[in-house]
Amino acid sequence: LAKTTQPISMDSYEGQEVNITCSHNNIATNDYITWYQQFPSQGPRFIIQGYKTKVTNEVASLFIPADRKSSTLSLPRVSLSDTAVYYCLVEDDKIIFGKGTRLHILP
Amino acid sequence: AAGVIQSPRHLIKEKRETATLKCYPIPRHDTVYWYQQGPGQDPQFLISFYEKMQSDKGSIPDRFSAQQFSDYHSELNMSSLELGDSALYFCASSPVVGGTEAFFGQGTRLTVV
Repeated sequence: LAKTTQPISMDSYEGQEVNITCSHNNIATNDYITWYQQFPSQGPRFIIQGYKTKVTNEVASLFIPADRKSSTLSLPRVSLSDTAVYYCLVEDDKIIFGKGTRLHILP
Repeated sequence: AAGVIQSPRHLIKEKRETATLKCYPIPRHDTVYWYQQGPGQDPQFLISFYEKMQSDKGSIPDRFSAQQFSDYHSELNMSSLELGDSALYFCASSPVVGGTEAFFGQGTRLTVV
């Protein structure tokens, strides 16, 4: 049984803010929410991680509601180079990838 | 900054042959992970090591084995190769055991013909 559910794909336009939501209804107390980005034929790259509330870094923001049953990765003002697969992971001590979201940025 | 180094970057082998993939983690990272990613697929966890001991095992076929050496580099050995083993193999390293933030290498593309 998959621990997370994400949209299979999303399209957006350059300059827009993109929000990718991940559902994780069975998240455990010790689980962290982690997002990775993967470009074609490259290894995944860590983007951001959080436990609750909001986390922001130079790349993205991560919003986690109080019940932690979902999370939203927010990418501000995307560009064509943000076209990639984005993975939401919910684990406490493993790095297990589920089905990611294929984000396609259009000019 | 030093990254995870994988070698070779590309490898072509025939069915039933053996392949060895190498991974050199970031200095002072003592945890190593191996992943297999088939065409159009998501990365599948194979195996991980911490301090030269296997720490976790995923969907690694019995034909595959791996180890981590005293200098923390790791090798993935694959025997009796099958066409379905053609994939990208990624290694990742982490300075924290049991964490969820890791740094991935560029991968080894294995093609079995």
